[in-house]
Amino acid sequence: AQSVTQLGSHVSVSEGALVLLRCNYSSSVPPYLFWYVQYPNQGLQLLLKYTSAATLVKGINGFEAEFKKSETSFHLTKPSAHMSDAAEYFCAVRGGSNYKLTFGKGTLLTVNP
Amino acid sequence: EAQVTQNPRYLITVTGKKLTVTCSQNMNHEYMSWYRQDPGLGLRQIYYSMNVEVTDKGDVPEGYKVSRKEKRNFPLILESPSPNQTSLYFCASSVTQGYEQFFGPGTRLTVL
Repeated sequence: AQSVTQLGSHVSVSEGALVLLRCNYSSSVPPYLFWYVQYPNQGLQLLLKYTSAATLVKGINGFEAEFKKSETSFHLTKPSAHMSDAAEYFCAVRGGSNYKLTFGKGTLLTVNP
Repeated sequence: EAQVTQNPRYLITVTGKKLTVTCSQNMNHEYMSWYRQDPGLGLRQIYYSMNVEVTDKGDVPEGYKVSRKEKRNFPLILESPSPNQTSLYFCASSVTQGYEQFFGPGTRLTVL
């Protein structure tokens, strides 16, 4: 069965600093990988996705993620944090014979002025 | 506008009083799913549906029922709610299983 591990349930950065949110996965088949963002009192919305094409994926709001097969990782980055980036971020993997989507436990990003 | 809608958005009820949370999507998606979100536990899948009249259990199905009589609707039924079902519930849909899921705005349920 596939699984997702998000390292760090809470990450705090200063405005303008690099954002790095970590995601490691396991999957018995070539995975599809997703990052979702949840702003306060809202549902989840897709930030970006990897579907076996380019390993560096660009998403909305200046975020990007790199698929590294050798490290089984799909870390999310943004060069310069903005106050509006404060939210909870979820990594998800599609894997296994039934193509089920499995979510990580989430990382809460706080951006300090 | 393509969207997933849920109703109600907020609900406070008492133990044992049957309730239904509705979910509807206007994207003609085959796959629909219900999740619950609890602090520190992330999203856990309750039930999912691959198409009309096809439903299956997710990771935490106990105490819940679903039905899929029409492609656009996927209601979640709690026949006898208990306090441990107090949670934030999300409905989601996608073209088919394993693809990008579109989420509803959530239903915050409190069972007293």
